[in-house]
Amino acid sequence: AQKVTQAQTEISVVEKEDVTLDCVYETRDTTYYLFWYKQPPSGELVFLIRRNSFDEQNEISGRYSWNFQKSTSSFNFTITASQVVDSAVYFCALSAYTGGFKTIFGAGTRLFVKA
Amino acid sequence: DSGVTQTPKHLITATGQRVTLRCSPRSGDLSVYWYQQSLDQGLQFLIQYYNGEERAKGNILERFSAQQFPDLHSELNLSSLELGDSALYFCASSPGDRGTQPQHFGDGTRLSIL
Repeated sequence: AQKVTQAQTEISVVEKEDVTLDCVYETRDTTYYLFWYKQPPSGELVFLIRRNSFDEQNEISGRYSWNFQKSTSSFNFTITASQVVDSAVYFCALSAYTGGFKTIFGAGTRLFVKA
Repeated sequence: DSGVTQTPKHLITATGQRVTLRCSPRSGDLSVYWYQQSLDQGLQFLIQYYNGEERAKGNILERFSAQQFPDLHSELNLSSLELGDSALYFCASSPGDRGTQPQHFGDGTRLSIL
């Protein structure tokens, strides 16, 4: 079975702090895809990044970086120098071959960034 | 703007009623996905259509049904509504037929059952 666990329900930080959002996934497939989405207070879901199971290269995009480690089945997301506009719910998601590539979302982590 | 359009934005109705939610995918996208987001269940995949055909099914109740039309827009029909169906319903689209690509989400339809 596929599963995505985001153990952190809520995180509160002060602006300019770095923050890491954890994501642990479960799948027996060797072919799978991982995603991060952001849901700001306005409600829409915005795609941030996709990583496939064959590419363990970490990625950095501006203040965002992602650390994919197959050995620990984790795909963690770090925001450097957080800003108030980063306040949102962040979802990690998994799409795996056995599941017919249906996307399974974690429960989400609500990030509060205080000025 | 994701390019995915959902209507209506809000819907208030009573138990036992039937409603239809509408979704127009992003231009060029052939797949449409429906999700339900509630406080207790999180974001749950309901169903996917690709170019008019059902491609994948998730935790969709028998009281719910969907279809995708030749112009690629999709409708999600919810019937015999119960209080527990109150949720935010999202539609998403992607170019291909499998959930390996990023999905672009609409703004959602907030359904409130009184």
